[in-house]
Amino acid sequence: GQQVMQIPQYQHVQEGEDFTTYCNSSTTLSNIQWYKQRPGGHPVFLIQLVKSGEVKKQKRLTFQFGEAKKNSSLHITATQTTDVGTYFCAAGNNRKLIWGLGTSLAVNP
Amino acid sequence: NAGVTQTPKFRVLKTGQSMTLLCAQDMNHEYMYWYRQDPGMGLRLIHYSVGEGTTAKGEVPDGYNVSRLKKQNFLLGLESAAPSQTSVYFCASRPGTSGGSVEQYFGPGTRLTVT
Repeated sequence: GQQVMQIPQYQHVQEGEDFTTYCNSSTTLSNIQWYKQRPGGHPVFLIQLVKSGEVKKQKRLTFQFGEAKKNSSLHITATQTTDVGTYFCAAGNNRKLIWGLGTSLAVNP
Repeated sequence: NAGVTQTPKFRVLKTGQSMTLLCAQDMNHEYMYWYRQDPGMGLRLIHYSVGEGTTAKGEVPDGYNVSRLKKQNFLLGLESAAPSQTSVYFCASRPGTSGGSVEQYFGPGTRLTVT
């Protein structure tokens, strides 16, 4: 079945450094969603990408969907301690989502 | 507007015991989901429902049953709990495909320990 690979599994940065997590699939995706889960919390929706080559920004977060719609990335500029958590990508297939394993981000103040 | 709520928040069971986890949403969402989350395993779909009275299996359905008798509620049952079912369980909901939004809204989770 369809799988979504997410790398890296963990990332440890100094506050102010940039951070990127990548999501890859061997098949073409109809759309991709990104979620953030704070430690001890539940996943919270960040954004959905649908179009080939789409780029969306939310303040310091930049989301990209590859031209072939097989990969996506989330980039955080100048990380802050509030960015700590696990970031998940999830590929939608109309009724349910196929989830990546997530990238856990730790930020040293 | 409470969103998605889950009952209970914590539970400890002994092997072989049964229990039911309750998920309730007040957003009139068509779709509801039960996930389990284990360290390093991400979110794995147990069962889901695309409307009142319907249920379908996800990727890890064995040992669990579900029911969706009312649109706002989605129950997850463990018939005979096993230590392998120790996990954090999340419920989520979203509008149907005609609703526009595809975002899943999650409950706060239930932390279950089976000894």
